[in-house]
Amino acid sequence: DVKVTQSSRYLVKRTGEKVFLECVQDMDHENMFWYRQDPGLGLRLIYFSYDVKMKEKGDIPEGYSVSREKKERFSLILESASTNQTSMYLCASSTGQGINIQYFGAGTRLSVL
Amino acid sequence: AQSVTQPDIHITVSEGASLELRCNYSYGATPYLFWYVQSPGQGLQLLLKYFSGDTLVQGIKGFEAEFKRSQSSFNLRKPSVHWSDAAEYFCAVGTGNYGGSQGNLIFGKGTKLSVKP
Repeated sequence: DVKVTQSSRYLVKRTGEKVFLECVQDMDHENMFWYRQDPGLGLRLIYFSYDVKMKEKGDIPEGYSVSREKKERFSLILESASTNQTSMYLCASSTGQGINIQYFGAGTRLSVL
Repeated sequence: AQSVTQPDIHITVSEGASLELRCNYSYGATPYLFWYVQSPGQGLQLLLKYFSGDTLVQGIKGFEAEFKRSQSSFNLRKPSVHWSDAAEYFCAVGTGNYGGSQGNLIFGKGTKLSVKP
């Protein structure tokens, strides 16, 4: 089975802190994604990566950055957390060939106080 | 532009009743279509997918969905709902790893299903 692991289920941070959300997948997938999920807005793509050291902006990249130094790991970085970044963050991965089934982690619920 | 619409934000059905969740998409070519389910506090789990061929696809947990090209729809159905089906359901359209899309999915905003005993 594909496994996508997000390092934390719940995080509480202070405004202005630098926050790292980590995601690891064990299926040698080329593509990895970060979404945020808010009630009534569904899933919105923040960033994605289709290869090591490669990244592309999604629909809402402002206030976020990402890092992909190894194929299996994709990190989301909040350089200076703000209260409007309180949300559920979901990581996903998919193969780089053919049909793009995305497999999701369990999510990280981030609260910024 | 590609888009996915789930017209129903919240649906309540009685346990044992049938269920249909609606999904309409906008996409120029033949789409890849997915339904995902999210239990409270969890990530998304793939229920079923349509890529080509038979327009009626079977998924896990007794769900099925029918692709209707003429209506740009991919509605999810279950003949008899169980209390454990209470969750949020997301429809998504994908474009494959072609044309630089890198396997992106466009998600609907979700339909929350409540099940009455």
